Amino acid sequence: GQSLEQPSEVTAVEGAIVQINCTYQTSGFYGLSWYQQHDGGAPTFLSYNALDGLEETGRFSSFLSRSDSYGYLLLQELQMKDSASYFCAVRDRGNTPLVFGKGTRLSVIA
Amino acid sequence: NAGVMQNPRHLVRRRGQEARLRCSPMKGHSHVYWYRQLPEEGLKFMVYLQKENIIDESGMPKERFSAEFPKEGPSILRIQQVVRGDSAAYFCASSPWGQGRSNEKLFFGSGTQLSVL
Repeated sequence: GQSLEQPSEVTAVEGAIVQINCTYQTSGFYGLSWYQQHDGGAPTFLSYNALDGLEETGRFSSFLSRSDSYGYLLLQELQMKDSASYFCAVRDRGNTPLVFGKGTRLSVIA
Repeated sequence: NAGVMQNPRHLVRRRGQEARLRCSPMKGHSHVYWYRQLPEEGLKFMVYLQKENIIDESGMPKERFSAEFPKEGPSILRIQQVVRGDSAAYFCASSPWGQGRSNEKLFFGSGTQLSVL
């Protein structure tokens, strides 16, 4: 099976940078994904890393180190609207379902 | 292009009743996934379906729960004889690709909040 660990809560100031870490244990590895979910809303896809390194998409970046079974989501120039829950997710084989962590609740304060 | 549509948005049932949750995937998507979410918890996989086929139901309870995705119409998640522990948010997601595509991205609906009294 798979397990993922990420902090339950993070608070950061508007305009700052925040990093949300995710460590995982899987029998295999088929990529690390990140999803954002606002309260009462649908989870939305943010990023996907299959190979080591940093992927950048606007203010959001995602990093993966397969040797450390570790990744993070980096949010820059934080805005109030970034207050949401962020989930990392992994798949251990190509034909197995996506497994989600418990999520990190990010609160952006003025 | 409409997104993934789920209805109802909120569903209240008494213990012992049946709950039917509907999901219409995005246009062109033939792969549907159902996930369940409890407060402060992540999304727990339940079942993966393609048109007329259940591909993976490893996360579905063996009793009272069933899912279908007919050739025509939405996917249905059916919970018979609901109990209070079934209260949760149920999310449907769709994808144009099946599990196995390395850059698969899931498109989620807004969920159905089931409350069992």
